[in-house]
Amino acid sequence: RKEVEQDPGPFNVPEGATVAFNCTYSNSASQSFFWYRQDCRKEPKLLMSVYSSGNEDGRFTAQLNRASQYISLLIRDSKLSDSATYLCVARPPGGSYIPTFGRGTSLIVHP
Amino acid sequence: GAGVSQTPSNKVTEKGKYVELRCDPISGHTALYWYRQSLGQGPEFLIYFQGTGAADDSGLPNDRFFAVRPEGSVSTLKIQRTERGDSAMYLCASSPTGGGTDTQYFGPGTRLTVL
Repeated sequence: RKEVEQDPGPFNVPEGATVAFNCTYSNSASQSFFWYRQDCRKEPKLLMSVYSSGNEDGRFTAQLNRASQYISLLIRDSKLSDSATYLCVARPPGGSYIPTFGRGTSLIVHP
Repeated sequence: GAGVSQTPSNKVTEKGKYVELRCDPISGHTALYWYRQSLGQGPEFLIYFQGTGAADDSGLPNDRFFAVRPEGSVSTLKIQRTERGDSAMYLCASSPTGGGTDTQYFGPGTRLTVL
């Protein structure tokens, strides 16, 4: 079983739609979580960190559910420019804090 | 300010050859990471440097892979006797301290193709 699992999609949604992705992690000791965005043939870029209390940044909302070991990303009012792959990341609590990336979820927003 | 840079952006080599991939992190970042990403997969950890030392090299797939960071800034990933299976995007990232909540900043990657 992979440490961080994501549905690869693609999620195909119209502009203006609300879309949500989930990501599960297997290491219950993981402490830090992130969502990265990766455009085709480009490097990953941090979208947002995920806090225990949940956090929101404009149209993007991230939630953490420790009991069920998953994090979620909600995108409201989708834009064409949101089309990308969204990578979920979990980091352990100590040692080298080496992050584990999921395989990513592909989002395609169409007119 | 300048971000993470990687050279070359593309590298095509023949099976059995030696290659070096370079990463220039953000100035002042003590932590540097190398990842490998295959098509349709997330970045896979290879090695982590804290300053000049390799703090964690558990992701290196075998002894053909080696990396150095002699002065605590620029790092070089070295692959000996390349194989077709080594073809992938090699990403470098740096972060200020390597702490658990640090943001990692990625370079544009080097796309390696082994023929």
